Amino acid sequence: GNSVTQMEGPVTLSEEAFLTINCTYTATGYPSLFWYVQYPGEGLQLLLKATKADDKGSNKGFEATYRKETTSFHLEKGSVQVSDSAVYFCALKGGNQFYFGTGTSLTVIP
Amino acid sequence: ETGVTQSPTHLIKTRGQQVTLRCSSQSGHNTVSWYQQALGQGPQFIFQYYREEENGRGNFPPRFSGLQFPNYSSELNVNALELDDSALYLCASSFEAEYNEQFFGPGTRLTVL
Repeated sequence: GNSVTQMEGPVTLSEEAFLTINCTYTATGYPSLFWYVQYPGEGLQLLLKATKADDKGSNKGFEATYRKETTSFHLEKGSVQVSDSAVYFCALKGGNQFYFGTGTSLTVIP
Repeated sequence: ETGVTQSPTHLIKTRGQQVTLRCSSQSGHNTVSWYQQALGQGPQFIFQYYREEENGRGNFPPRFSGLQFPNYSSELNVNALELDDSALYLCASSFEAEYNEQFFGPGTRLTVL
């Protein structure tokens, strides 16, 4: 079946630190992979996506590469800002259904 | 362009009652998916509606049901509420069922006492 395993949080970083949030997946076929972000009190927003192996999704300084050999889609950012504080969800799309990880809470302190 | 809207924002029900949640899809979108997000968890897929027909269902009992209207807005109905139904209910719309990008509403926070 399809599932996503995401790095446990919470994660606390100082401003300008490097961020990695690990995500691995199990899937039948060739799913599309996503990172969503949820700011306090809001719904989920698509951060980036990759639809096939070796694709790199990027947005707002965040990047993630679809690694089929390691079934991973780790999220990275070179220099985080206080405004990046949020909960990050890794997800995959299998058929018409999205499967989400449990989320990783990130707090960035000045 | 109007985004996805949901109503109500919050509501409180007691065990055994029934509830209806509403979602207006983004303009031009014909597909609506519903998710349950328990506290501290990721969203769990409930079901999807595409052009007024159910188009896939997650592992939720039949007391979770839905509708989609000709204008592609949607309702989620939950009968015989249980304490574990307390969660944030999210609606997401997309241009077509197979389209990769879906846009989420802010959610409805349901508390069952």
